[in-house]
Amino acid sequence: SAVISQKPSRDICQRGTSLTIQCQVDSQVTMMFWYRQQPGQSLTLIATANQGSEATYESGFVIDKFPISRPNLTFSTLTVSNLSPEDSSIYLCSVGGSSNQPQHFGDGTRLSIL
Amino acid sequence: DAKTTQPNSMESNEEEPVHLPCNHSTISGTDYIHWYRQLPSQGPEYVIHGLTSNVNNRMASLAIAEDRKSSTLILHRATLRDAAVYYCILRQSGGSNYKLTFGKGTLLTVNP
Repeated sequence: SAVISQKPSRDICQRGTSLTIQCQVDSQVTMMFWYRQQPGQSLTLIATANQGSEATYESGFVIDKFPISRPNLTFSTLTVSNLSPEDSSIYLCSVGGSSNQPQHFGDGTRLSIL
Repeated sequence: DAKTTQPNSMESNEEEPVHLPCNHSTISGTDYIHWYRQLPSQGPEYVIHGLTSNVNNRMASLAIAEDRKSSTLILHRATLRDAAVYYCILRQSGGSNYKLTFGKGTLLTVNP
């Protein structure tokens, strides 16, 4: 199974700043996903990132707030822009297969906003 | 994705079997049933998946009802490390939509 590393594992940021989260996979994958997990809640998909194309965002998430890069088949970044206290969450990346294959997750980035 | 219904919480004793139920009455014929779990302070971890037949792996067993409208994740001997939130998720076969839609899951507490 794929091994996923996320950086940073946690951060505390000031309001109005931005944070870029990195996701590195130990093998080439076609699809990468970014999720948000708000305190005490389940995971919500932010966007799907395919190499060589624009990310596909879910309803309620926009590119200006959550720009994503996918420069190659082993790496992606998620930026959370113009941070506010409501952005305090865990952000997770995952790599996926087809419906008959498991998805594998990183351990997430815990973001707190002062 | 079709919806699933799980109990909010369940409790078990260490070294006893645990049966975690999931209802998915609107499942389509090509939906796979996936189970993930999330231990404290970790990302979700794949547990098992199946389509029609019961499945076994080193972590758990998955029992699927004959009409596929429900399934049960079976942990044969619960350990303290199995305390986690367990998610039952349906994944549509085919197409290009590989995302996972998480519900609230079942919080499993394991008592020593």
